[in-house]
Amino acid sequence: DAGITQSPRHKVTETGTPVTLRCHQTENHRYMYWYRQDPGHGLRLIHYSYGVKDTDKGEVSDGYSVSRSKTEDFLLTLESATSSQTSVYFCAISGREGPAGELFFGEGSRLTVL
Amino acid sequence: EDQVTQSPEALRLQEGESSSLNCSYTVSGLRGLFWYRQDPGKGPEFLFTLYSAGEEKEKERLKATLTKKESFLHITAPKPEDSATYLCAVQAAGNTGKLIFGQGTTLQVKP
Repeated sequence: DAGITQSPRHKVTETGTPVTLRCHQTENHRYMYWYRQDPGHGLRLIHYSYGVKDTDKGEVSDGYSVSRSKTEDFLLTLESATSSQTSVYFCAISGREGPAGELFFGEGSRLTVL
Repeated sequence: EDQVTQSPEALRLQEGESSSLNCSYTVSGLRGLFWYRQDPGKGPEFLFTLYSAGEEKEKERLKATLTKKESFLHITAPKPEDSATYLCAVQAAGNTGKLIFGQGTTLQVKP
């Protein structure tokens, strides 16, 4: 199994508070991704990273920012959480060196914004 | 616009009853089509990659096929442990690993 750890696994917060989700990998892979999964929408890409300090937006990036200061860590930040950001968030890494669709996912972080 | 549609949304089978799941796609230059399995409360697990029409991949009771417009995931003689949500995703040519996912088919296999 790919070494991907997400934290926290569960979080309940209030509207307007900042939230940071962490993804840690032990595979030394260059590409990392953040997806959200919602009923009726499936998995949607928020942001991705193709190297340290190299990131780009996905299809649902509004309200989210990311940072990658080390190869192994990819952080997703909600600067001011809203109820529409209640979701399950998945981090993923590419299965090989380079961008590919063979992704390995973490266990997910369930976020509830009240 | 790149799009992936999976059908049916849900499928109930008896153990041993073979069937197929469908994934229809519209993409500007297919770089790859991917199948994933997702168990409740878990992240998706990679199953197959298909790159060109006519290609087939097999793994145990699962077989994935690809045409120019759709992919099928055939399940032969399923067992209860095959119960899961199956996700299809496409990667467009030139995309840096970004995938477009379908909404999935939830399969339940009853003993």
